[in-house]
Order: sequence, then structure tokens, then C-alpha cells
Amino acid sequence: NAGVTQTPKFQVLKTGQSMTLQCAQDMNHNSMYWYRQDPGMGLRLIYYSASEGTTDKGEVPNGYNVSRLNKREFSLRLESAAPSQTSVYFCASSEGRREKLFFGSGTQLSVL
Amino acid sequence: GEDVEQSLFLSVREGDSSVINCTYTDSSSTYLYWYKQEPGAGLQLLTYIFSNMDMKQDQRLTVLLNKKDKHLSLRIADTQTGDSAIYFCAESIEGNKLVFGAGTILRVKS
Repeated sequence: NAGVTQTPKFQVLKTGQSMTLQCAQDMNHNSMYWYRQDPGMGLRLIYYSASEGTTDKGEVPNGYNVSRLNKREFSLRLESAAPSQTSVYFCASSEGRREKLFFGSGTQLSVL
Repeated sequence: GEDVEQSLFLSVREGDSSVINCTYTDSSSTYLYWYKQEPGAGLQLLTYIFSNMDMKQDQRLTVLLNKKDKHLSLRIADTQTGDSAIYFCAESIEGNKLVFGAGTILRVKS
């Protein structure tokens, strides 16, 4: 049972580089989310997609873009990485709004 | 705005009970959650409580909700070394969001 799969697990970027974090879920969930986790700050919502074809900003969207490619996949793109984006990124999915979340294992990103 | 607060650290001896506390601000929350994060892993849902309940018990876990004080607690009975992890409290709010606390590090000493 794969659940929520994120790739890559680790990534090091130089300031200004771009990259896309991939996320896929096999639970037929409608909603998908991207969070970042920083020490002492818990998880903060970057973007979410309530259903296929829709995306909305969360608490900290600046510097990121997302694509809900289909019901299974939700990608997060950093167009020009900055050191402030060094963090652990988690993708999650849920059956519907305000439902319990299922998380991927995370991507540890360092921007030098 | 919405805010969820937790104490940062708790240390207990193996076999004792652990109590992790959380306060939240949004009185319209319908569900409140406890998630567990083990080192190098994502968050796993431990348990949750609907806002019209005062208590929920699930094996070694007991969740208490005081809606008047907006206070949520998680009690782990007979704490084991495998319970060492970070525990996150979260509330569901309008706009399709969960708001998470900063997490409580639970350390279990054998």
C-alpha cells in the first residue's frame, strides 16, 4: 500500500535554481496539500487543491507554484530557489475538506 | 487569526503516563487531531475527536476536549520507548485547512 509518495527524498539546490517536487497518491482522494515544516514552527500550508482542476493559496505561498496534474498527482515548483526555502516539504491528501490527512514521507530541501 | 499552541518538550519514564496539552483558538473547529511524527518520517494520524465530544478512548490513548477553554489533551498510558516522537495537535478550520501546532517532543526514558 503506497499511500502518498513524494520524490525526491533529498535535494540540494543553489540559490536561483529551479526544481519540481512530485507527489502522487493512490487512495482516490479529492484533496491534496503541500506543507513545509520548519523547526519550532510546526507545519505551514503552502498550497492546496480541493479537487482536480482547482488550486488555492495557503499560509505561505510566495515563491512557489503548484499544478494539479490529475486526481493522483500534485506537484510543487520552486522557480528561483532562495535559502529561506530550506525546509522539509510534505505532501498530503484527504478524502474531502477538513478530513484527516495522509502524509508522504517528506522531501528535505537545502538551498545554498 | 488561528493559532494552536503546545508545550515543546515532555520527558517521561517508561511505564508512566504521558499527557501532552494543546490550546487552540478557532471555536468553529469541527475536528481536532493528534498526529505522530517519528524521525525521518511523515506525520501519521494517531487519533481525532469531533468537537461535540468530551472524551475519546482508543486503547492506550485518551483524548480529552474542553471546548469552553479550547483545550485538548492526549494521554498515553503505559508509555513505551516506541512512543518517543513528535506529537502535533491540529484543528480543522474553514477554508479547507488544518492548522498545526509546533509539535511536542516526547522523550521516553527506559
